[in-house]
Amino acid sequence: AQSVTQLGSHVSVSEGALVLLRCNYSSSVPPYLFWYVQYPNQGLQLLLKYTSAATLVKGINGFEAEFKKSETSFHLTKPSAHMSDAAEYFCAVSSGNTPLVFGKGTRLSVIA
Amino acid sequence: DSGVTQTPKHLITATGQRVTLRCSPRSGDLSVYWYQQSLDQGLQFLIQYYNGEERAKGNILERFSAQQFPDLHSELNLSSLELGDSALYFCASSVPTGSGANVLTFGAGSRLTVL
Repeated sequence: AQSVTQLGSHVSVSEGALVLLRCNYSSSVPPYLFWYVQYPNQGLQLLLKYTSAATLVKGINGFEAEFKKSETSFHLTKPSAHMSDAAEYFCAVSSGNTPLVFGKGTRLSVIA
Repeated sequence: DSGVTQTPKHLITATGQRVTLRCSPRSGDLSVYWYQQSLDQGLQFLIQYYNGEERAKGNILERFSAQQFPDLHSELNLSSLELGDSALYFCASSVPTGSGANVLTFGAGSRLTVL
């Protein structure tokens, strides 16, 4: 069975500071990994995805994530936080034929 | 607008009642997924349909059922509602990609409140 663990249910950063949201996965087969973002009162939007090509994946809004097989991690980063980045972020894993399994989510707060 | 349409946006009902949530997938997408989001359980996969056929089943209660119609829209039926069924129900759709990594496009959700 696949699973995702997101470390930290709430992360707070200052505007302009580095954003680091942690995600570790468990999968018995090569995984496909995703980051989704959920703004208040909205559905989930895809930020980026890893599909066994380049290990460093660039997404929308300046976010990127690096797949590290040895650490079973897929952490999400952004060099400089913006107020508009405040949202809930979800890491998810799939084997391709299985539905996405989501982590519990990390709420990002950005302080002016 | 993601292209996935869910109705109703909000629904308030009483325990023991039955409700139906509706989802129209993005144009061209053949798969529909239903997820339940609650504060304590997070995002839980309920069920997936592909071109009218059930493809995968997750943590869906026996009181819940779903179907996908020939026009590809889907309905999630929730019956004998309990307080604990209060949650945000998301529909997502996808089209299989060559890499096997199905990217889900989510609707805005239907918020169900059971009183």
